[in-house]
Order: sequence, then C-alpha cells, then structure tokens
Amino acid sequence: GIQVEQSPPDLILQEGANSTLRCNFSDSVNNLQWFHQNPWGQLINLFYIPSGTKQNGRLSATTVATERYSLLYISSSQTTDSGVYFCAVEGSGAGSYQLTFGKGTKLSVIP
Amino acid sequence: SAVISQKPSRDICQRGTSLTIQCQVDSQVTMMFWYRQQPGQSLTLIATANQGSEATYESGFVIDKFPISRPNLTFSTLTVSNMSPEDSSIYLCSVDLRGRRYQETQYFGPGTRLLVL
Repeated sequence: GIQVEQSPPDLILQEGANSTLRCNFSDSVNNLQWFHQNPWGQLINLFYIPSGTKQNGRLSATTVATERYSLLYISSSQTTDSGVYFCAVEGSGAGSYQLTFGKGTKLSVIP
Repeated sequence: SAVISQKPSRDICQRGTSLTIQCQVDSQVTMMFWYRQQPGQSLTLIATANQGSEATYESGFVIDKFPISRPNLTFSTLTVSNMSPEDSSIYLCSVDLRGRRYQETQYFGPGTRLLVL
C-alpha cells in the first residue's frame, strides 16, 4: 500500500515563529488532506489539497503531486496551534476512498 | 461539512466485556469508516461500512472482534468485543463527502476514548 512519511516528528516553537511541516508519499494520490488533532483528540480538517496551493489565514499548504510531497506552512504560531498535525492520503487505485495517515508531527508552541 | 456525533465520548471498561460505539451523521452519506488510534500513535483504518453491504475489514482486524452495523445512511455502530487492555484507544468514525460541492472528502467524529482495565 501507499506509504506516508511526515517530518519532523516533533517541533517546538516560540510563539510568533513560523514553521514548515513536510509530508512525502510513495505513489500517486486522488486525495491529500491535512488535519490538526487538538489536545482533546478532535481531528480538525485543515486542507483538502491533492495538488496546488491553498491558504487559510495563517496556514497555507502546497502539494507537488509530480514529486509526491506536500508542505504545510504555519506562520506567526500561537499556543492554540499546539497539537499533532497529520497528513493523510488516498491512493489513486480505483474506488479506494481510504485514507492512509502519516505518523504525524507533534507541535508544541510555547509562550 | 457534516456534523458527526459519537457515543459514548469516553468509557472505562473491564477486560472481557464488550462496548458498542455509535456514530450519527446529520445527513445521508454512503461511505463511513471506522479508525483506531492507539496511545501516541497515528490513525489506522479498521473497516469501511457502506449501507446495504457487509463491512470490509482491513488486514489485522476481524469481524468477530469488531462487528459493525450500518442500518441506514446516517448511522453506524462499532462493537469492541472481549476487550483487553491492548484495545485501549481512541475510536473514530469518519464520513466521505466527495461529490458534494465545495466539500473536502473526509470528516471525522469527535472520537470515543476507551480505557480497558
């Protein structure tokens, strides 16, 4: 099956700093989503981005499908950005609809 | 998006017992999924639950241990049977909304935190 690797596994930032999280995947994809899991366990949709670039406030994401990677940018980080960020992909096999998750990047933003 | 609720939100159970987790969606959806997240780990797909057909289980998960029902297009249950401490996890349901305008494909419920003693 498709493999998903995220880096770095852990990241500690000072409030106000910027960061880039990376997701590499091993095969072509129909779907790529970024999620934020808050400390209460809730998975929050950030981006649906199988290709191209999107922005939402302080967050933006870029997926280069031909090179099989995606980047999530967090600017001016806040303590509320803490949690685990997951990249999840759906392989391009017909009718799969299943998401394969990376192991996540645990982000800690300190005041 | 979709509003997804799960019951219970958390539970503490004794080994050898079973727990049924409910997932309710506020609109009709064809595809629903059940995931497990063990402590400190990523999410792993347990099974795909489509209405009108048997659930499809992933490698390492079996129907006897994780029976699933999908009686209609807005509801599903996952039962964790004959529990052991290794079943302590967060269990999450998700729905696929592809085809709906401006919808991202999968949304997740709030999860059920299970601790088995």
